[in-house]
Amino acid sequence: AIQMTQSPSSLSASVGDRVTITCRASQGIRNDLGWYQQKPGKAPKVLIYAASSLQSGVPSRFSGSGSGTDFTLTISSLQPEDFATYYCLQDYNYPWTFGQGTKVEIK
Amino acid sequence: EVQLVDSGGGLVQPGGSLRLSCAASGFTFSNYDMHWVRQAPGKGLEWVSAIGVAGDTYYPGSVKGRFTISRENAKNSLYLQMNSLRTEDTALYYCARGNYSVSGSHFDYWGQGTLVTVSS
Repeated sequence: AIQMTQSPSSLSASVGDRVTITCRASQGIRNDLGWYQQKPGKAPKVLIYAASSLQSGVPSRFSGSGSGTDFTLTISSLQPEDFATYYCLQDYNYPWTFGQGTKVEIK
Repeated sequence: EVQLVDSGGGLVQPGGSLRLSCAASGFTFSNYDMHWVRQAPGKGLEWVSAIGVAGDTYYPGSVKGRFTISRENAKNSLYLQMNSLRTEDTALYYCARGNYSVSGSHFDYWGQGTLVTVSS
């Protein structure tokens, strides 16, 4: 199975900060990667798919990049509603695998 | 409006069985791959199974041979039969719809989750 290594596992940031989360695949996965946001007590929500495609309705401050093994989620200007846990997910082949998650907390 | 409603969770002893259901509405269920994803208390997300429109199924090693995903298109329903349950299967189980396009795939709709607790 493809291993997804996500970093950092947590970070503290202030409103307005630029935040970057990375995900590394144990083998090449083309651009078959998505980013999901989860708030406490809620189901996850897709932000980005195919590494860089913004899901409809998601604010443009979210962006994704990368291909092959290294991927990045960037929040250009952190907003209060962005404090949550973020996960990457590879859908290149089965079994699909998630990263361990990154908890974004208020500084 | 697309809706996925998960049900069937509960308390079960180790070695026991449970069947989860996901009732879908608001879209043509037979046209979509469907998945189960779980989350143990305080832990991250784990993909559990998938079923394609043609009935092809997929599992990770952690549940293969113990869990069976199925679908009943006439009832717009997805199921997860879980046998030989272990304490480590304790989690909130979500069904999710797979959306596939030329540019890529993702989970675009999720159920609310149903809690499975495996304990003696």
